[in-house]
Amino acid sequence: KQEVTQIPAALSVPEGENLVLNCSFTDSAIYNLQWFRQDPGKGLTSLLLIQSSQREQTSGRLNASLDKSSGRSTLYIAASQPGDSATYLCALPRGGADGLTFGKGTHLIIQP
Amino acid sequence: EAGVAQSPRYKIIEKRQSVAFWCNPISGHATLYWYQQILGQGPKLLIQFQNNGVVDDSQLPKDRFSAERLKGVDSTLKIQPAKLEDSAVYLCASSQFPANTEAFFGQGTRLTVV
Repeated sequence: KQEVTQIPAALSVPEGENLVLNCSFTDSAIYNLQWFRQDPGKGLTSLLLIQSSQREQTSGRLNASLDKSSGRSTLYIAASQPGDSATYLCALPRGGADGLTFGKGTHLIIQP
Repeated sequence: EAGVAQSPRYKIIEKRQSVAFWCNPISGHATLYWYQQILGQGPKLLIQFQNNGVVDDSQLPKDRFSAERLKGVDSTLKIQPAKLEDSAVYLCASSQFPANTEAFFGQGTRLTVV
């Protein structure tokens, strides 16, 4: 059974800082890993999808890395902005099926 | 490209009542998922459809929850009777193929059971 842990649970930093969000998982036999953003009262917005054969994926100021052997992924946010404030969730397909198992998320606040 | 559509956005019901949620996935997406997200938690998969067939419903409380996907497009999720602990956001998602593809989520339905 896949278990996903996200650290830290909450993070508050001043605007402009670079920051790293962590995601660890117990079963390294994965198809891919997806990072999502969730704004209060809203659904999930897909940020990045890393295939199991990839080591990293970039989109704008976001960079996600994947290390299957250690069961870890990181989401790097460069030059943070107040608009980046949200909850960030990582998720992986569940075992042989492809429904996603989610972590509890990291609640991020960027102070202006 | 239109996203995943869900309705209603909000619903308040009394315990023991019934409720239904509707989802319209992205056009052409064969796989549809329903997730339950309790406050402060990550979403939990309830049921997964591939076209109009159920792939995984191992975490669906079948004594009170039911779901269907007629004609492999729209889907409805029903709760009958509702309990207080069913208060959550119900998210629908779709993806193009099983595994290895990106999942897209709707805005969700926030259910409050009083």
